[in-house]
Amino acid sequence: DAKTTQPTSMDCAEGRAANLPCNHSTISGNEYVYWYRQIHSQGPQYIIHGLKNNETNEMASLIITEDRKSSTLILPHATLRDTAVYYCIVRETSGSRLTFGEGTQLTVNP
Amino acid sequence: AAGVIQSPRHLIKEKRETATLKCYPIPRHDTVYWYQQGPGQDPQFLISFYEKMQSDKGSIPDRFSAQQFSDYHSELNMSSLELGDSALYFCASSPEGLTGAEYTGELFFGEGSRLTVL
Repeated sequence: DAKTTQPTSMDCAEGRAANLPCNHSTISGNEYVYWYRQIHSQGPQYIIHGLKNNETNEMASLIITEDRKSSTLILPHATLRDTAVYYCIVRETSGSRLTFGEGTQLTVNP
Repeated sequence: AAGVIQSPRHLIKEKRETATLKCYPIPRHDTVYWYQQGPGQDPQFLISFYEKMQSDKGSIPDRFSAQQFSDYHSELNMSSLELGDSALYFCASSPEGLTGAEYTGELFFGEGSRLTVL
């Protein structure tokens, strides 16, 4: 699986949008971009994934650049409960492992 | 909705003892993954099973073994426990046998089993 690079930590004010970047310059054509988050000591939670088009669901939006070498996860209105480690992972969908790298610790401040 | 069930949630063992962790996947999920997360570390992939056969192997120590049973639940057996085995152990399941628009590649994680080795 391709390696990803994320900032170690970010802060965001409650109610504002949180934009979390991820670089995945070695992504291959059949690899998807997945985002998971882990709230302290809980099991990782799926957020969203995409291949090349931008995606949106009830939790977040995913913006993938045209060359697919980077992406941004957007939490439109961050709440205190969004404080977590966010992992950007590239993976084929067909049963391969999720490889967690060093994610971004997002802290949402009141 | 039913989630992934792991047991026990907490386990305390002495060095050189054995431990068994259990994982019950979401109904109709055919694939189980095991992860280990040490203190301050990111989750590390150990092993996975698809339809009761080992499908992938990561950084699982030789002292550990795992299997998936006919009812799709899985057990992780750990022997000769060491202090460094103290960690959170997560199980995840997914319906890898699905095809088409239903399949998203999402893994569903349990709440984990915390093993403490003294």
